Order: sequence, then C-alpha cells, then structure tokens
Amino acid sequence: DVVVTQTPLSLSVTPGQPASISCKSSQSLLHRDGKTYLYWYLQKPGQPPQLLIYEVSNRFSGVPDRFSGSGSGTDFTLKISRVEAEDVGVYYCMQSVQIPPYTFGQGTKLEIK
Amino acid sequence: QVQLQESGPELVKPSGTLSLTCAVSGGSISSPNWWSWIRQFPGKGLEWIGEIYHSERPNYNPSLKSRVTISVAKSENQFSLRLSSVTAADTAVYYCARNVNWGRTFDIWGQGTMVTVSS
Repeated sequence: DVVVTQTPLSLSVTPGQPASISCKSSQSLLHRDGKTYLYWYLQKPGQPPQLLIYEVSNRFSGVPDRFSGSGSGTDFTLKISRVEAEDVGVYYCMQSVQIPPYTFGQGTKLEIK
Repeated sequence: QVQLQESGPELVKPSGTLSLTCAVSGGSISSPNWWSWIRQFPGKGLEWIGEIYHSERPNYNPSLKSRVTISVAKSENQFSLRLSSVTAADTAVYYCARNVNWGRTFDIWGQGTMVTVSS
C-alpha cells in the first residue's frame, strides 16, 4: 500500500494568519496517465469529510480561494492563506494513484487560538 | 442533490457479521459512479473498505478482502456492506460515499453510523 504521512498532527492558528500542512507519500503519486492522485479533505466537528482539493491543486466546487494545494511527486502542501473560525477541524490527505486501496494520512487537527 | 444514508445495527457481537445499508436518494445507484464504504476508527484514522459499480465486480481493500462483501440492490436504490468475523478492532463509524466519475476520490458522503463490536 502507498503510505501517506502528514505533518504536523496538530496546529493552533490565530484568525487571519496562514496555515500549512504537509503530506508525503511513500511513492510518487504521478500516474502514467499524467494525473497526480492527491486529494485534501476537511472533516468539521460532527460531520463526514468534505472534499477541498483534487489532483493536488484544484479547488472543489464551493471551496474558498483561501485554500490552495501544491506539490508534486511525493511531497504536497495544503495552505490556508488566512485562517477563519469555520476552518477548524481535521484535515486529511488521500492518495489514489495505486488502488485498491485508497489510503489516507493520519489527519491534522486545526484549532483556533 | 444526491444524498446517502447509512442504516444498520449499532451493536454487533464479536465473531458476528456487521451488516449495513446505504440508501441513495436524489439520484440513481445505476448512474456512472462507483460507490464506496469507508470507516473511521475512534482514534480518527480513515480506512477505505471497498467499492462497487452497478454492473461490475466490487473492489476490496486487500487487508479486509477475506471478510468483506459489498453488493448493490438496484430496485431499492441502495448498496450494502457485510463484514464477517468482527472483533473490537472493527468498532468504527462507517460511511458510505459516492466516487466521482471524473477522478479517483469521493464527493458525497453519508453522515456515518457508529458500529460497536462488543458482547
């Protein structure tokens, strides 16, 4: 299985300040079809995960532009340019270059200071 | 707007079989989408269990393959999960989800159902 590792596991951010989460995979997520199968989810308290970013850097429908994704190969980053109170929750990266199975990172808990 | 709703027993005895159903509303189970089961352990880790398409064989997580069966009931617009020989390690929130048909991820999730394995 492809292992994805997130850091940090938690972070506390002042509203209006930026935040950054790293996701590293045990092998390249670039598929022979040219796509890179790395996704980001946010799980708000009491809710299921919701898709934020697909294929590294594309915001899903309705996702605010303060969220951005970048990276290539095995190293990826999710950035929030200015954290808002509604951004609290647990962020997960997920890979699907080699399935089955789809595999998720351990999650990064974002709290507001 | 497609919505998913999980249902099934909240408590299952060790060595028994966990059975859940996911009802699809606002859309058809026969649409060009795969449908998945994903679980979340109490420590918050997520594990993909398997997926099914209405006209193809399901795919399973190799770590669970010997114990998992996913099936579709087209007439009832739902799909189901059976996990046999359960232990306390199978205690989790179980989600059903829709796979997108333009990539390899999930865009719609049910609210999840907590299943506890205990005697």
